[in-house]
Amino acid sequence: AQSVAQPEDQVNVAEGNPLTVKCTYSVSGNPYLFWYVQYPNRGLQFLLKYITGDNLVKGSYGFEAEFNKSQTSFHLKKPSALVSDSALYFCAVTPQRGSNYQLIWGAGTKLIIKP
Amino acid sequence: DGGITQSPKYLFRKEGQNVTLSCEQNLNHDAMYWYRQDPGQGLRLIYYSQIVNDFQKGDIAEGYSVSREKKESFPLTVTSAQKNPTAFYLCATAEGGGGYEQYFGPGTRLTVT
Repeated sequence: AQSVAQPEDQVNVAEGNPLTVKCTYSVSGNPYLFWYVQYPNRGLQFLLKYITGDNLVKGSYGFEAEFNKSQTSFHLKKPSALVSDSALYFCAVTPQRGSNYQLIWGAGTKLIIKP
Repeated sequence: DGGITQSPKYLFRKEGQNVTLSCEQNLNHDAMYWYRQDPGQGLRLIYYSQIVNDFQKGDIAEGYSVSREKKESFPLTVTSAQKNPTAFYLCATAEGGGGYEQYFGPGTRLTVT
């Protein structure tokens, strides 16, 4: 079965330190990969995506993610965390084969940045 | 959230009543989606539509119904058959499938008592 795993329910980071939110996936063939962020009582906002090409993808608000095919991972990173980065982060994936309209979603990781 | 309107933001209903959640978009996107989010949980797909006058069931369609008569609109009806309807409902749109990212509305929080 195709799936996305976000192994950490919560990640705590001190402001100014680098942060990583982990995502691993299991899909048939090559994937399209996405990261979204959700602030309390709001809809999700798109951060970045991997389609093809360079394994390091840069997105909004200084976030980046690295696609690692051998480890089937797409971890979200930021060099220096801000308190305002505190939110819920979702990883999502869909197989490239076909015109697949459904995303497979991870359960989400709560990121807490402490001053 | 720009370009996608969900109304109302909060909705209260009595058990046994059907309720319709609105989703309107001005992004000219073909694809539209309805998700349900429960506290502390991820997203679960209820229905999606790739094009006008066509829609498909998602993972948890039971107790819900949709229509897609116009490109801009994708209303979701929560029927009395839905056993646990209290949740946060999110509408999303996309230019298409595959590598296109989804854009989300602000959500409607439905409480049924």
